[in-house]
Amino acid sequence: EPEVTQTPSHQVTQMGQEVILRCVPISNHLYFYWYRQILGQKVEFLVSFYNNEISEKSEIFDDQFSVERPDGSNFTLKIRSTKLEDSAMYFCASRDGGGVETQYFGPGTRLLVL
Amino acid sequence: QKEVEQDPGPLSVPEGAIVSLNCTYSNSAFQYFMWYRQYSRKGPELLMYTYSSGNKEDGRFTAQVDKSSKYISLFIRDSQPSDSATYLCATPHGSGNTGKLIFGQGTTLQVKP
Repeated sequence: EPEVTQTPSHQVTQMGQEVILRCVPISNHLYFYWYRQILGQKVEFLVSFYNNEISEKSEIFDDQFSVERPDGSNFTLKIRSTKLEDSAMYFCASRDGGGVETQYFGPGTRLLVL
Repeated sequence: QKEVEQDPGPLSVPEGAIVSLNCTYSNSAFQYFMWYRQYSRKGPELLMYTYSSGNKEDGRFTAQVDKSSKYISLFIRDSQPSDSATYLCATPHGSGNTGKLIFGQGTTLQVKP
């Protein structure tokens, strides 16, 4: 069964460093998403991406964040200068663009900023 | 007012019990509703989705939507220890066709053998 994959599973970084989180969405999907979940809190929307551009972003997704689909399979989230409060689980999701808006999530990357 | 609300629990039941998990939502424009299951430190896994008011059944799981009261339920029959997880309700709501999901807090369920 097709699935969304994410790498790395864990990332530890120093405050102020850049990190890139990688995702491979399901191959025939057209819409791509990043969410994050701070420990013990809700899953929060960060950004949606369609047709090679951002279609919507949340207030969390400020200038420190960027997304890219560098080729036909990968979808990346870059945090330019990490802060302590960026420590969270980051989930990538994708959907096929059909009538039902169901999204399929990857296993997540646990980011710890020290 | 929060857009989607869930009682975080935890909810503890004996194996074989019928479980009822609930969400309320505030915006009558919400049309689709999903239930995701999330095991500890894993990604959300789609269980079921519903569109209209009424019931939808899939094996031991039944999703129910009452749009008049803005109430969503997930029933689990014959609950198993493997059902122990956090259950998240979600609804897509974004500008245009972005489909961003708005999640509830999640209800943690423990099924004891």
